[in-house]
Amino acid sequence: DSGVTQTPKHLITATGQRVTLRCSPRSGDLSVYWYQQSLDQGLQFLIQYYNGEERAKGNILERFSAQQFPDLHSELNLSSLELGDSALYFCASSFRGLRGTEAFFGQGTRLTVV
Amino acid sequence: TQLLEQSPQFLSIQEGENLTVYCNSSSVFSSLQWYRQEPGEGPVLLVTVVTGGEVKKLKRLTFQFGDARKDSSLHITAAQPGDTGLYLCAGVQGAQKLVFGQGTRLTINP
Repeated sequence: DSGVTQTPKHLITATGQRVTLRCSPRSGDLSVYWYQQSLDQGLQFLIQYYNGEERAKGNILERFSAQQFPDLHSELNLSSLELGDSALYFCASSFRGLRGTEAFFGQGTRLTVV
Repeated sequence: TQLLEQSPQFLSIQEGENLTVYCNSSSVFSSLQWYRQEPGEGPVLLVTVVTGGEVKKLKRLTFQFGDARKDSSLHITAAQPGDTGLYLCAGVQGAQKLVFGQGTRLTINP
């Protein structure tokens, strides 16, 4: 158990819909990272938050947004869903950034868009 | 374009054999991490290498960071069926970003 909790574990929804994925980081970790893993793309970095503020952005679509709340949990919002958004979405957390520290990954949310 | 190229992408060998997985890039990373991922689970960190030329051993696994900090290798000695899984290398860019390779899917046959 990494200490990072993601809910829900599985999500099936229709195209055009909007979903929210939730992540609770390890106790004491200030940074949260979101990644998308699909079969043909590997793990793609989406976005990072540190203590409530956005710190780094990767290949995140405009239809996707995220935030980190004062209690440090984070949510990833995916809207106007397309079939190609079907993937595993992982959240990871670390104490600060990644320099000299490791990131711990949750078990992921498997999103299926039908 | 993949920033980190892993090879091979798939590897199936017999128990007891040795193997090496490579992770190559044209970019320099402040450190490089190796993860192992089981089906339905998130990646789990195996090791972080920081210094160019660094070698770290974890039981039968040996990790090496290239002198120029652009590439790394994972060598497994006397592979066991329990080593089966997806091995991912990831480069740390600055302090914020982990860039992953596409992974090596390893199968060890009894």
